[in-house]
Amino acid sequence: RKEVEQDPGPFNVPEGATVAFNCTYSNSASQSFFWYRQDCRKEPKLLMSVYSSGNEDGRFTAQLNRASQYISLLIRDSKLSDSATYLCAHNDYKLSFGAGTTVTVRA
Amino acid sequence: SQTIHQWPATLVQPVGSPLSLECTVEGTSNPNLYWYRQAAGRGLQLLFYSVGIGQISSEVPQNLSASRPQDRQFILSSKKLLLSDSGFYLCAWSYSGRNTGELFFGEGSRLTVL
Repeated sequence: RKEVEQDPGPFNVPEGATVAFNCTYSNSASQSFFWYRQDCRKEPKLLMSVYSSGNEDGRFTAQLNRASQYISLLIRDSKLSDSATYLCAHNDYKLSFGAGTTVTVRA
Repeated sequence: SQTIHQWPATLVQPVGSPLSLECTVEGTSNPNLYWYRQAAGRGLQLLFYSVGIGQISSEVPQNLSASRPQDRQFILSSKKLLLSDSGFYLCAWSYSGRNTGELFFGEGSRLTVL
């Protein structure tokens, strides 16, 4: 089983919609979780950290469900500029990434 | 401010040829350094990480090697490339002593092996 698994998508949503997707992890001892954003053919950049029960930053909300071993990312009021691939990651002694979920916001 | 630069940005190499990718970090001391590879449609695979000069940990056995000759310089090499080495190679750094999970990535080097 992969350490981190994500639905690859793509999620195609209209502007203003809400989109949410999950990421499952296999190591129940993992303590720290993160969402990175990667634009096409660019390097990933940290979007949000998810340390405890969740985290909210503007239109973005990340949740952690330890019992079911997954984290989620919800984007409200989607903008065209939100189109990207979202990578989840968890941190043991190293940062392990999922393959990413692609989101496309259309006008 | 801290910056990270890696080069070359793009390269096309024949099978069996050598490889050298270089990465430098400015504006910080004793960073943790990483080499990741991202194959098409796949996640980031950690290849090597380093917590100090000359200290290299390999995550995946392969025909690649890494070296850290200076505090803020990280080099990825191969003596003979394979077709399967094609991918997007990313150098990254993080603060040493802080396990925040935040990595700062370089702009990447896109390698095509023919």
